[in-house]
Amino acid sequence: EAGVAQSPRYKIIEKRQSVAFWCNPISGHATLYWYQQILGQGPKLLIQFQNNGVVDDSQLPKDRFSAERLKGVDSTLKIQPAKLEDSAVYLCASSRTRDRGGEKLFFGSGTQLSVL
Amino acid sequence: DQQVKQNSPSLSVQEGRISILNCDYTNSMFDYFLWYKKYPAEGPTFLISISSIKDKNEDGRFTVFLNKSAKHLSLHIVPSQPGDSAVYFCAPDSGTYKYIFGTGTRLKVLA
Repeated sequence: EAGVAQSPRYKIIEKRQSVAFWCNPISGHATLYWYQQILGQGPKLLIQFQNNGVVDDSQLPKDRFSAERLKGVDSTLKIQPAKLEDSAVYLCASSRTRDRGGEKLFFGSGTQLSVL
Repeated sequence: DQQVKQNSPSLSVQEGRISILNCDYTNSMFDYFLWYKKYPAEGPTFLISISSIKDKNEDGRFTVFLNKSAKHLSLHIVPSQPGDSAVYFCAPDSGTYKYIFGTGTRLKVLA
């Protein structure tokens, strides 16, 4: 079974530029998550999709971050404009369902973003 | 508001000995508690979980203990191996499938 695919692996941009990350979850996984992991901290949930609908985006800075999951499969996360504090690893994860508690998440390798 | 705390940022253990990683939480509504392991430049991978109706779950060398009254859980690794060197995250499920990750504990197993 193929894992969660993310691209690019690394991205370096200057502040105020825009950037986009792509995620392809495991086939058949209904739930998709985007997490932000700042150095020295645990992953923080940004947004959660169930199929192509947003379930939770309460911690997404909506003035600069946006995300979509077209057709309930691939997802993109965009930052526009980027700030220095957005430097982090952006992790995409998927799970089979959110109908059962404790469902484990499968993570991609992440995109490491550096904002200069 | 830090709902999940892993107070030991790092831990060093001799190969073959026991590693004990701790996690404290404040939200009594957490139903499931998951542990993830993360190697450098990789995403976290699921290790073991426990339901709030249990106080122990074992999987090979890994055992997780849950003390609900103390809002505390611990992960035991016996015997520890060099390949276990990684960052370990405690991630409770708040019941809305919004996993809240702790800050992690970096485990180093010395050969």
